[in-house]
Amino acid sequence: ILNVEQSPQSLHVQEGDSTNFTCSFPSSNFYALHWYRWETAKSPEALFVMTLNGDEKKKGRISATLNTKEGYSYLYIKGSQPEDSATYLCASQGAGNNRKLIWGLGTSLAVNP
Amino acid sequence: NAGVTQTPKFQVLKTGQSMTLQCAQDMNHNSMYWYRQDPGMGLRLIYYSASEGTTDKGEVPNGYNVSRLNKREFSLRLESAAPSQTSVYFCASRGLGATYEQYFGPGTRLTVT
Repeated sequence: ILNVEQSPQSLHVQEGDSTNFTCSFPSSNFYALHWYRWETAKSPEALFVMTLNGDEKKKGRISATLNTKEGYSYLYIKGSQPEDSATYLCASQGAGNNRKLIWGLGTSLAVNP
Repeated sequence: NAGVTQTPKFQVLKTGQSMTLQCAQDMNHNSMYWYRQDPGMGLRLIYYSASEGTTDKGEVPNGYNVSRLNKREFSLRLESAAPSQTSVYFCASRGLGATYEQYFGPGTRLTVT
């Protein structure tokens, strides 16, 4: 994988459902994986930055895991709420070039009340 | 702290006109970035500045110039605007640590007619 790929492209869930999405990234020369949350008409805000294989981070009902050997990360949202509706972006940061990120296109989540 | 600020928020230009988008951050960050965001394209890096006094091209630098005026400010200039430069432009900054997240400004919506 040369690019960062996210799936699904969009997702509609009911309030209270738990959901997850995937980010695939180049596993060679990997340094860090970033997750951002982007609400409509606002700017992206960082959720997590992960570096270690097997790393798991949590912020409230949102958590993320990282597999650097196979090049994927999962973002989980437990008990989705309408305020979780946003686009979730992941970005890969390569070793030796740690100032630039390669961005995925995002997963657009809509939570219906 | 205001974080990352951008001016203007909206701008309409005619083809061939020039303008400068301003960005400033008050977090004492070393690195600053300019992105454009187009539907279906994700965030694309135009230029970045790893530290005061340095600038480097990103993925889509053609038609743009930048100036890292000081540690706080990073401006993006369109010398001769083209309709293909119609986009939403985001400025971001990042601290010194290798895995620090990026902080984004509110964006500038630019239309070139």
